[in-house]
Amino acid sequence: QQQVKQSPQSLIVQKGGISIINCAYENTAFDYFPWYQQFPGKGPALLIAIRPDVSEKKEGRFTISFNKSAKQFSLHIMDSQPGDSATYFCAASGVKDTGRRALTFGSGTRLQVQP
Amino acid sequence: SAVISQKPSRDICQRGTSLTIQCQVDSQVTMMFWYRQQPGQSLTLIATANQGSEATYESGFVIDKFPISRPNLTFSTLTVSNMSPEDSSIYLCSVEDKYSATEAFFGQGTRLTVV
Repeated sequence: QQQVKQSPQSLIVQKGGISIINCAYENTAFDYFPWYQQFPGKGPALLIAIRPDVSEKKEGRFTISFNKSAKQFSLHIMDSQPGDSATYFCAASGVKDTGRRALTFGSGTRLQVQP
Repeated sequence: SAVISQKPSRDICQRGTSLTIQCQVDSQVTMMFWYRQQPGQSLTLIATANQGSEATYESGFVIDKFPISRPNLTFSTLTVSNMSPEDSSIYLCSVEDKYSATEAFFGQGTRLTVV
């Protein structure tokens, strides 16, 4: 019930194209959904996040679409650039079995933007 | 935002030995989190460290193997004890964002190789 499923595992997009990464969750108690970007040798960095009371959030070229009824959310990267090449993780925050709030991460998507 | 410094950034250790990883934050935080990221994999929460109390461990992780200290509001250590090659991973420290009440900031990680 704590899983977050992410797809695709890897993605190749041409420069200027749209990158789309999808995630689905099961636990309806999740109430915060961030996306992280990770470059090789670096820790994950918070990219954008959404709460379930809105269906979309946009920050620059990055947009989260959120479908509460389907328990799905996605990251769209518009006008993808080679510098966007990284691994992207979706996550969901909620109270875990231990009784403490923590993040559950998706499996990650390795994005490669070709020049 | 919070700036998190982890030491060491990488290490190669002999099996059977122990390694202590340090995490220093530039501001006071209530909760600190330790994650493991195996090569090419997602992040798995090891434990949550709250200053002044014992760390709370996730299923599959025990204090004898991963003892954690949290002596003050800006510092924590994670020790990987009696290491085996299966412990080779990236270990990441994370802190919560004050406003979203969920962890949002990660250190750069400690890449551990056990030989």
